[in-house]
Amino acid sequence: SQQGEEDPQALSIQEGENATMNCSYKTSINNLQWYRQNSGRGLVHLILIRSNEREKHSGRLRVTLDTSKKSSSLLITASRAADTASYFCATELSTSGSRLTFGEGTQLTVNP
Amino acid sequence: EAGVVQSPRYKIIEKKQPVAFWCNPISGHNTLYWYRQNLGQGPELLIRYENEEAVDDSQLPKDRFSAERLKGVDSTLKIQPAELGDSAVYLCASSLSNYGYTFGSGTRLTVV
Repeated sequence: SQQGEEDPQALSIQEGENATMNCSYKTSINNLQWYRQNSGRGLVHLILIRSNEREKHSGRLRVTLDTSKKSSSLLITASRAADTASYFCATELSTSGSRLTFGEGTQLTVNP
Repeated sequence: EAGVVQSPRYKIIEKKQPVAFWCNPISGHNTLYWYRQNLGQGPELLIRYENEEAVDDSQLPKDRFSAERLKGVDSTLKIQPAELGDSAVYLCASSLSNYGYTFGSGTRLTVV
């Protein structure tokens, strides 16, 4: 079963705009991770945020985590056509050891 | 540094035939995962290895799926016999503790 749920399922924006994707989960977590997947390729790890952290930055990426609401958001600033991909959040649960559970992803399209 | 290497990249087989996938993780990563990803969905864990030991195989359909990780390095995942519903992308990943996973490019299996 899927632990995380991404919102929206699909997002289409123009180059230069910001893209925000949200993820909700159900149970206590050790950490939450965001991955990108280009069509027909494997997943690429973007950023990991631990349960005791609230915000993390990496280049044009900003991730927030609200454990009280069991939600996270991924913000991509100044988007580029090359950012077009599917984005997945994945949670490592407190009780599952080292197992990542993925959501169903958000398909982001950045139009030139 | 080479990433996680998987082969073959694509496989088409008839139902009831056997099939095997191979994975070479990143050197030094003691944890190896096999995930299955259906079209339009997030990956789902099949099995996790810590070195040679399968520590989480609760979601592996054991009637037809098997896996091994000899000497704690390379791993193979086998399906025998394959069914139409097994068509999916099979992803291998490896990790060090407390950090993100590195995924291979996957094997796209089509059962006809």
